[in-house]
Amino acid sequence: DSGVTQTPKHLITATGQRVTLRCSPRSGDLSVYWYQQSLDQGLQFLIQYYNGEERAKGNILERFSAQQFPDLHSELNLSSLELGDSALYFCASSVAGPNYGYTFGSGTRLTVV
Amino acid sequence: GQNIDQPTEMTATEGAIVQINCTYQTSGFNGLFWYQQHAGEAPTFLSYNVLDGLEEKGRFSSFLSRSKGYSYLLLKELQMKDSASYLCAVRDRDSGYALNFGKGTSLLVT
Repeated sequence: DSGVTQTPKHLITATGQRVTLRCSPRSGDLSVYWYQQSLDQGLQFLIQYYNGEERAKGNILERFSAQQFPDLHSELNLSSLELGDSALYFCASSVAGPNYGYTFGSGTRLTVV
Repeated sequence: GQNIDQPTEMTATEGAIVQINCTYQTSGFNGLFWYQQHAGEAPTFLSYNVLDGLEEKGRFSSFLSRSKGYSYLLLKELQMKDSASYLCAVRDRDSGYALNFGKGTSLLVT
């Protein structure tokens, strides 16, 4: 158990629908990062939050949004889903110092049918 | 932006040594990381380099040359369980210190 909790583990939904993925960071970690991993693209950075505020944006589609709540958990909202959104979605958290990598959660496997 | 390149696949023999290379181009380099990822699982942190040179951690070592935009991960005494994908990632000041990953090198130990 890495200490980063993601729910649900698996999600199957239809095209056009909206889903919410949830992440609880490790205790004490203020930063949360969302990544998408598909077979052909590798791990793609989507968005980062630090202590409730958006810190950096990567290749995140306008149909996707995220937020970090006062208790530091984060949610990634995916709307108007397309078949190509099927992927593993990882959340990671980190301490503030530069010498440590991220700790990843076990991911949510999203299948859009 | 960033460009991170690493070989797609490598094969090595149990007990041998393998070197996985990574080259990168970035404007605000702030560290290079290596992660291991088994299929369908979360990436796990292996090593971190921010200064030039070699960092050793048990059977794994990682090297960095900032002037050449080059790193490698060295795995010694290979074991079957080392079969996995190895991800090179660069942290960039100019993108909020987010980690940007290469596509990974799939290593098969036979």
